[in-house]
Amino acid sequence: AQSVTQPDIHITVSEGASLELRCNYSYGATPYLFWYVQSPGQGLQLLLKYFSGDTLVQGIKGFEAEFKRSQSSFNLRKPSVHWSDAAEYFCAVGYTGTASKLTFGTGTRLQVTL
Amino acid sequence: GAVVSQHPSWVICKSGTSVKIECRSLDFQATTMFWYRQFPKQSLMLMATSNEGSKATYEQGVEKDKFLINHASLTLSTLTVTSAHPEDSSFYICSAPDRGLGGANVLTFGAGSRLTVL
Repeated sequence: AQSVTQPDIHITVSEGASLELRCNYSYGATPYLFWYVQSPGQGLQLLLKYFSGDTLVQGIKGFEAEFKRSQSSFNLRKPSVHWSDAAEYFCAVGYTGTASKLTFGTGTRLQVTL
Repeated sequence: GAVVSQHPSWVICKSGTSVKIECRSLDFQATTMFWYRQFPKQSLMLMATSNEGSKATYEQGVEKDKFLINHASLTLSTLTVTSAHPEDSSFYICSAPDRGLGGANVLTFGAGSRLTVL
């Protein structure tokens, strides 16, 4: 069965600093990988996704993520964090055969200091 | 883009009563919808897959008689928490795959429904 690990429960960065959120997955085949963001009390918004092709994917709000098969990772990055980026970030993995059934990581809470 | 609407956003009920949560795909059809449950400061756990016109598929450990799911149309799925107890208090989120985002594996999520059982 597939699984997703987000090793960092909580990260604090200063506004304007760079950000990297880690995500590792366990899955036998090429996964579908996603990053979602959740503001308090809200649903999830898709930041970006990887299905195939270019391993560096661009998303909304200036985020990007790189798929590294050799490391089974899909880390999320942003060069300069804004205070409005403070939220919970979830990495998720999907797989072929069952449409859209995702397994989520435990999430990383991002705090941004001014 | 695709929108999934959930109602109600907040609901407080007494122990022993039943609560219905609706999930609607507003501008697309969804033969499948997914119901997730999220405990405070935790990740999303898939509860069940709602299938239009057929029975829902429940994940291991989820009580199908406690969490009734009905997918009566291509745009509406409902989750009914029956005989609710305080331990059922949680944030329930539905989602639907939107092919408009590039494939069957991209989920659009509702804003969630927070259930508090007194």
